[in-house]
Parts: sequence; C-alpha cells; structure tokens
Amino acid sequence: DIQMTQSPASLSASLGETVTIECRASEDIYSNLAWYQQKPGNSPQLLIYDANSLADGVPSRFSGSGSGTQYSLKINSLQSEDVASYFCQQYNNYPNTFGAGTKLELK
Amino acid sequence: EVQLVESGGGLVQPGRSLKLSCAASGFTFSNYYMAWVRQAPKKGLEWVATISTSGSRTYYPDSVKGRFTISRDNAKSSLYLQMNSLKSEDTATYYCARHRYRFDYWGQGVMVTVSS
Repeated sequence: DIQMTQSPASLSASLGETVTIECRASEDIYSNLAWYQQKPGNSPQLLIYDANSLADGVPSRFSGSGSGTQYSLKINSLQSEDVASYFCQQYNNYPNTFGAGTKLELK
Repeated sequence: EVQLVESGGGLVQPGRSLKLSCAASGFTFSNYYMAWVRQAPKKGLEWVATISTSGSRTYYPDSVKGRFTISRDNAKSSLYLQMNSLKSEDTATYYCARHRYRFDYWGQGVMVTVSS
C-alpha cells in the first residue's frame, strides 16, 4: 500500500497569511493526488485534483503543486472560512490512501 | 445539484450486521463509479469500498475485505454497503461518495457505532 505522510499535523496562521501543507507519498503517484477540505461538523469537499487542478467553485487562493512523491497545497491570503482540516489522497493505486490530515487554525 | 443522502446507521453489537444505503440525485448515477469512505471519531479518512458503473467490479481494502459488500441499484440510483461481522474498530461516520479517481462529491455521512 502507498503511505501518504502529511505535514504539519497542525498549523496556526494569521488572516492574510500564506499557508503551505505538504504531502509525501511512499512511491511515485504520477500526480494522481487530490486535496480535500473538511470544516468542523461537515463532510470533506474536493479542493484540488490531479495535483494542480482546481475543483469547481473553489476560490483561486487555493493551489496545488508537485510531482513524483512530493506534493503541496498552498492557501494564499488566508481567510477565516479556511479554518478546517485538510487531507491529501492518492488515487494512483488501490487501496486509495489518505494523509493523516492537517488542522488549520487562526492565530 | 448533486446530492448524496446516506441512511441506515446506528448502534450495533460486535459480530452483528448492518446495511447502509445512499440515495443519489442530480447526476446520471449509472455513469459513475461510487464509493464508501469512513472516518473514525476525531480521526482521518479511510477508503472502504468502490463499485464500478455496472456493479460487475468491486474493490476493498484488506481491513474490510470478506466482511463488507458494496452494491448498487442503478434503476433506483442507490448505493449500498452490507457490513457483516462488525468490530469495534468499524465505529465511524460512513460517507457515500462519487468516485472519479478522486472523490468529487460526498454525502453528509451516517454514524455507525459498534459496541456491546
């Protein structure tokens, strides 16, 4: 199984700041990577797919990058509504696997 | 608007069975792979099962293989998860999701608690 190592586990940032979350795969996943946002009490929502494609309706301050085994999610100009947990997911192989998550809070 | 609505959760004793349902609307259900993803309390996400458009192919992780069965009824735009021999570690919120490699739409989730 492909292991997804996500960092940091938690993050505190100020409004307007730029935030980066990393995800490392245990083998090459050929950009078959998605990022999800889960606000407290809600179900996850797709943010990014194919490593760098923005899902419908997602603000342009979210962006994804990376290749091979290393990927990142960047949030520009942090807004209060971005307080949430973020998860990466690889879909290069079954079983699809997720990172452990990053909890983003406001400083 | 895509909608996925799960039902059938609840409290069940270890070793017993439970069947979850998911009613889909707002898209052509028969054209998409579908999946179940779960989240234990205060934990991360775990993919549980995927089914092909016709239902002829199913996929499971080792943690549930042989105990869980995913199925679908395209005429009713419905997805199911039959869970047998339930264990305490199956306690989680179970989400129905449309599976296009990524999970692009999710239901609101249904809670399953396995406890005596």
